[in-house]
Amino acid sequence: DSGVTQTPKHLITATGQRVTLRCSPRSGDLSVYWYQQSLDQGLQFLIQYYNGEERAKGNILERFSAQQFPDLHSELNLSSLELGDSALYFCASSVGTGRIMNTGELFFGEGSRLTVL
Amino acid sequence: AQSVAQPEDQVNVAEGNPLTVKCTYSVSGNPYLFWYVQYPNRGLQFLLKYITGDNLVKGSYGFEAEFNKSQTSFHLKKPSALVSDSALYFCAVRDGSFNKFYFGSGTKLNVKP
Repeated sequence: DSGVTQTPKHLITATGQRVTLRCSPRSGDLSVYWYQQSLDQGLQFLIQYYNGEERAKGNILERFSAQQFPDLHSELNLSSLELGDSALYFCASSVGTGRIMNTGELFFGEGSRLTVL
Repeated sequence: AQSVAQPEDQVNVAEGNPLTVKCTYSVSGNPYLFWYVQYPNRGLQFLLKYITGDNLVKGSYGFEAEFNKSQTSFHLKKPSALVSDSALYFCAVRDGSFNKFYFGSGTKLNVKP
């Protein structure tokens, strides 16, 4: 158990809908990362938050947004869903020290599997 | 720019034989290198990391990795493969200054009995 909790584990919805994925990082971790993994694909970095602030953006679509709340949990919002958005969405956390050198590893949740029909 | 390459999509090995999963990297500055394993429908699990020091790093489940600065490689190794090692393996490099992680495309390891 990595200590990172993601809900829901599975989600089935229709095209055009909106969903919210939730992530609770490990206790004490300030950084949260979101990744997308499509079938037989590698990990696509979406976005990173540190202590409530957006720190880095990757290949995140404009239809997607995220935020990190004061209690450090994070939510990934996916809207106007398309068939191609079906994927496994991972949250990961690390201690994160802002812009100070950090050599720590990421701890991943079990993922939220989104199926868009 | 930082990047990681895993040149093999798939590695096949017989149980009991040694295994190697290859990874090369490109970074500016000191590399912070990681290996993760992903079992089907599961999250990524941390195996080991190289930050500094001894070039041979030991990790979980009997895995080890060898850091080679001149060849910019960080290959994952295990002396004797198990069927249960069959999984997807990811190499990653961390940009220490900006806390970004860059993952390779993954290598599927198949260990046959």
